[in-house]
This record gives sequence, C-alpha cells and structure tokens, in this order.
Amino acid sequence: KAGVTQTPRYLIKTRGQQVTLSCSPISGHRSVSWYQQTPGQGLQFLFEYFSETQRNKGNFPGRFSGRQFSNSRSEMNVSTLELGDSALYLCASSNGGLNQPQHFGDGTRLSIL
Amino acid sequence: QKEVEQDPGPLSVPEGAIVSLNCTYSNSAFQYFMWYRQYSRKGPELLMYTYSSGNKEDGRFTAQVDKSSKYISLFIRDSQPSDSATYLCAMSANSGGSNYKLTFGKGTLLTVNP
Repeated sequence: KAGVTQTPRYLIKTRGQQVTLSCSPISGHRSVSWYQQTPGQGLQFLFEYFSETQRNKGNFPGRFSGRQFSNSRSEMNVSTLELGDSALYLCASSNGGLNQPQHFGDGTRLSIL
Repeated sequence: QKEVEQDPGPLSVPEGAIVSLNCTYSNSAFQYFMWYRQYSRKGPELLMYTYSSGNKEDGRFTAQVDKSSKYISLFIRDSQPSDSATYLCAMSANSGGSNYKLTFGKGTLLTVNP
C-alpha cells in the first residue's frame, strides 16, 4: 500500500507570495490533516479535512487555508507569505480522524526569503 | 503551563541501554496516546498507539499511560544505533461530536552510540 505522498518536497518563495502544497493520502483514508513543524514551536496542528469538509482547525491565521477533493487528495494554501512561515509542512491521513493513528508524509520544506 | 510537556534532550546512551522517554500533560480529557519516531528529513512514523491507561508492548518498545498522574512513557529495550531519532509524544481528546484536538510534544532527540 502506498504511503502518504506530498509534493513538492522543497520550495523557496519570497515574502508576499502565495504557495500551494499537495497531499495524496493512503488509499481508503478519508481524513487528511496538516501540520507545521518548526524547531521553536515543534509540530503544530493546522486543520483536518474529512469527506471534503474542514472538521477541525488549529490556531493559525486565515492566511492558511486548505481543501479536500472527492478522491480525498488535499491541498494547503498559504497566502501573503511571511518569513515566519518557513517550516516543514506535514500532511497525515487516517482511517477515522484525529483520535486515530496518523500516517505522515515526508513533508514539504518551505523556505521564505 | 503547556498542555503537553516533553524534555527535548538531547539524550545520549550506549548501544544496548534501556531508554526511557516521557511526557506530562495537563488536559485530563486526553484519552488517546501515541508515540512517533522521526528521522532527519523524514515524516513522523507511528510507533505505539494506546487508549486510556495501561501498558502496551511491541517488540523492544513498551508504552505506559498513567492517567492519574497525567504521565506517559515509552521504553526502548536493547537500544540500537538505528533508534537514533527524535521521539514525539501525541495526545488526542474529544472536543465535541466527531471533533478531536490533537496535540504533540516538542520531541526528544535520542542518540544511541555504538
């Protein structure tokens, strides 16, 4: 069974730009969640989608948004990028939701210049 | 007080040692507990998943949950150099209906020396 796939693996952007990250979950998983990982704050939850609907949301500004498609694939968008958005962005999928084991991809490393 | 506290280490042990990794938490609503291992430049990999209090063993790994003390542990027996990684604890609580809150510790960096 293929794991969670995230693209691209690396991305360099400048302040003010926007970016879209993509995630393909494990086949059959309907829950997809996104996380930001930084050395200072650790791994922080952004949001979870289930059957194309946002079901849970963390404490991030509205510049961070996402969506999920009918095939469970998900995208995350960050608008008006700031230097502090430099981080590893991880996507995870699960059978049920955030009370179930999360299966992570290897992330997208986003660097803001 | 942070909801989940985890000593960042670094922790350095000789090969073959027993390793103890711990997390404390303040939210008594946490019911689901997980441990992840993360190698450099990779995503976290699930090691253990437990519900409520008790022990769970899987090979060289044992997870313990003590809800009365709000304390969880991961023990690694006969540690190997390949166990060198960052270990993250994670906890989930129901926040109403099908909504859950998932919180991670900041991770402990472990090095096992040959």
